Amino acid sequence: QKEVEQNSGPLSVPEGAIASLNCTYSDRGSQSFFWYRQYSGKSPELIMFIYSNGDKEDGRFTAQLNKASQYVSLLIRDSQPSDSATYLCAVNNPHNAGNMLTFGGGTRLMVKP
Amino acid sequence: DVKVTQSSRYLVKRTGEKVFLECVQDMDHENMFWYRQDPGLGLRLIYFSYDVKMKEKGDIPEGYSVSREKKERFSLILESASTNQTSMYLCASTKRGAQLNYGYTFGSGTRLTVV
Repeated sequence: QKEVEQNSGPLSVPEGAIASLNCTYSDRGSQSFFWYRQYSGKSPELIMFIYSNGDKEDGRFTAQLNKASQYVSLLIRDSQPSDSATYLCAVNNPHNAGNMLTFGGGTRLMVKP
Repeated sequence: DVKVTQSSRYLVKRTGEKVFLECVQDMDHENMFWYRQDPGLGLRLIYFSYDVKMKEKGDIPEGYSVSREKKERFSLILESASTNQTSMYLCASTKRGAQLNYGYTFGSGTRLTVV
């Protein structure tokens, strides 16, 4: 089992819809969860992080964390074509030196006008 | 804002050449990382460093070495470039302990092609 799993997609949603991106992780000791957005040919940029169970909202983005189910998600409301990108989930690994992050393979999101 | 600067955006090298990829960060970060990213394989950790002159192997260190002589600079070296090292190379950094709160900051990447 991979440490951090994401559906590779592509996930296709119409403009204005809600995009739901999911991520599961294997280590119950993980404490910090991050969502990165990566446009084609560019480097990842951090868009959200969450530490506590529940929801965290920032503009059109909502991160949701359920530690019991080892599940973290990213909701994008009112999706725009400019949201089309690959979204990487990252989780800290408490068992490696320095609490390094482990990245999922990413989900490609396509928002169609 | 934290800046992580990678010296080259695109690079074309010949098989067998020794290749140096440079990464510089300007925020006194202790931790620095080199990843490569390939379609379908995601981000794979090559090497990382927790401090000056310290280095640790990641998941795919074969064919690579690193150098960290100064805190702000982390260099990735391809000892003898091969075509299977054609990839996007990403440098990242974070303050020690801060990765739990702030994650990593990535450089803009170097697209290396080995011909």
